[in-house]
This record gives sequence, structure tokens and C-alpha cells, in this order.
Amino acid sequence: NAGVTQTPKFQVLKTGQSMTLQCAQDMNHNSMYWYRQDPGMGLRLIYYSASEGTTDKGEVPNGYNVSRLNKREFSLRLESAAPSQTSVYFCASSERFDRTNSPLHFGNGTRLTVT
Amino acid sequence: AQSVTQLDSQVPVFEEAPVELRCNYSSSVSVYLFWYVQYPNQGLQLLLKYLSGSTLVKGINGFEAEFNKSQTSFHLRKPSVHISDTAEYFCAVSEWNTDKLIFGTGTRLQVFP
Repeated sequence: NAGVTQTPKFQVLKTGQSMTLQCAQDMNHNSMYWYRQDPGMGLRLIYYSASEGTTDKGEVPNGYNVSRLNKREFSLRLESAAPSQTSVYFCASSERFDRTNSPLHFGNGTRLTVT
Repeated sequence: AQSVTQLDSQVPVFEEAPVELRCNYSSSVSVYLFWYVQYPNQGLQLLLKYLSGSTLVKGINGFEAEFNKSQTSFHLRKPSVHISDTAEYFCAVSEWNTDKLIFGTGTRLQVFP
């Protein structure tokens, strides 16, 4: 059982380049999330998808776009990468959009460096 | 607005010693509280959670946490740590009437032999 799978694991981009981070879950979860993790700042929510067909902004959405391709897949796109987007990106999923009874399941992260 | 503070960025401890990782929160309404653990090169996983009821919550791997409403704290404890407990630990808070989950900045627990 793979859980939440993120690709790629590592990526280096030049300023202005674009890329898409892929995420897929095989737990039949309804809700999916993208977080970024920066030293001394914990995890911050970029975008989420409460259910298939919906997406919403989180705390730090600027510079990103998302697509909920189907129930399994939720991608994050950087249209024009900036050094401030250097971070570790985590995809997560939960059975329902109810954090009290639906714990988050995280992928292993994508380490992105923008030069 | 809700917020969560983990005052200790790093906690070094010897194997088999007890440990406490501190978490304080700020909120004007009832909250739900969580501890997540992140092992090296992995994503986070839920360690334990407090929703209501008993203020002492037991989680996986021998960890427990106590909700203290008067001190707005939710400290994580383990009576005897193992090398394998070396990880980063995140406290998180969610207000009962919102869909926001706010993470603290994390505490890196380093267990030495």
C-alpha cells in the first residue's frame, strides 16, 4: 500500500522556469492538500481540495496553481519559479475534510531549490 | 486568531531518559490539538490527538500528551526515549468552528546513545 506518492523527490530550477509537482494517493481519500515546509516556519498550507472538483487557496497561494485531476491526483504548478519558493513541498490527503476525525497522511516530500 | 508556539527548536536527550516537548496555543474558542512526527526524509504522521474528554491522551510509540486548558498547553511526553525516537515533532491546533489547521514550527528531538 503506497499511501501518498510524490514526484519528483528532488528538483533544481532556475528563476523563471516552470514545473509541476505530482501527487497521487491510493487510499480513496476525498481531500488533498499541498504544504510547504521552511526552517523555523513549520508547515504552511498552499492550496487544498476538499473534494474532487474543488480547489481552494490556503495561507500562501501566491505563485502557485493546482489541479485536482481526479480523486487520486492533485498537482501543484509553479508557473515562474522564484528563489523564495525554495522549500520542501508536501502533499497530504485525508479521508474527509474534517481534521478532527480524519488525520492527514503525508507523502515523503519534494525538495525544490530555485537558483 | 489561533496560533501555536513550540518554544524549543531542538531538544537533545540521552537514550532511556524522559523527555517533554512543549506546545502552547492561543485561541479564544475551543480547540482540537494534534502532535505529528516527521522521521528523517519522510512525511509527517499523526502521533496523537485531543478532541474532547480525558485530558491525558496516549499515542503511538509510548508517547502521551496532556491538555491543560488553563495554561493553554499540550505538552508531549515520553518516560524513556529510544534512539529511534529521533525525529522532528510538530504540534498543531484547529479551532472547533473553522477548517484551519495551524502547525507549530517544530521541535527536533535528538536522542543520543
